Amino acid sequence: AQSVTQPDIHITVSEGASLELRCNYSYGATPYLFWYVQSPGQGLQLLLKYFSGDTLVQGIKGFEAEFKRSQSSFNLRKPSVHWSDAAEYFCADLRDNYGQNFVFGPGTRLSVLP
Amino acid sequence: DGGITQSPKYLFRKEGQNVTLSCEQNLNHDAMYWYRQDPGQGLRLIYYSQIVNDFQKGDIAEGYSVSREKKESFPLTVTSAQKNPTAFYLCASRGTVYGYTFGSGTRLTVV
Repeated sequence: AQSVTQPDIHITVSEGASLELRCNYSYGATPYLFWYVQSPGQGLQLLLKYFSGDTLVQGIKGFEAEFKRSQSSFNLRKPSVHWSDAAEYFCADLRDNYGQNFVFGPGTRLSVLP
Repeated sequence: DGGITQSPKYLFRKEGQNVTLSCEQNLNHDAMYWYRQDPGQGLRLIYYSQIVNDFQKGDIAEGYSVSREKKESFPLTVTSAQKNPTAFYLCASRGTVYGYTFGSGTRLTVV
């Protein structure tokens, strides 16, 4: 079965520092990968997605992610973190090629120090 | 503005009670989904519906029921058979193949 892992449960960075959140997916013929952000008590907001083509994907709020098939990874990056980026981040993979149903990672909680 | 509305935002349930969580969308999306979120476990799929009057079980459907009588509405009932219902519940809908929209969630607590 497909699965998504996020090795870091909680990460703390200082404001202005760079950020990388890790995501690994299990083998799939054609991964469709997403990053979502969730503020406390809120729904999920899409940051970016990868279907095919350029392996470096740009998203909203200054985030980007790089798809590396050889490492089965889709890590999220931001060059300079803002205090408002503190939230929970979820990596997700679509379960099948018909666009049905996500498999979500367990999430990484990001704290930002002033 | 189009979107998904979940209500109530907070819900308290007594032991043995059934409760229903509301999910309404005005995006004209065909597919709708219910997810359960627990700390450290990400989101898990409860039920989904691709068209009106049809729905499918997800990974953790036991103790839950749904209906899809209208395109706009996909209510979730948490029955007394659900032994550990305290969680955050998220509803989502899908328009294009990859275009999901999430609601803002309902936090259910058993008292």
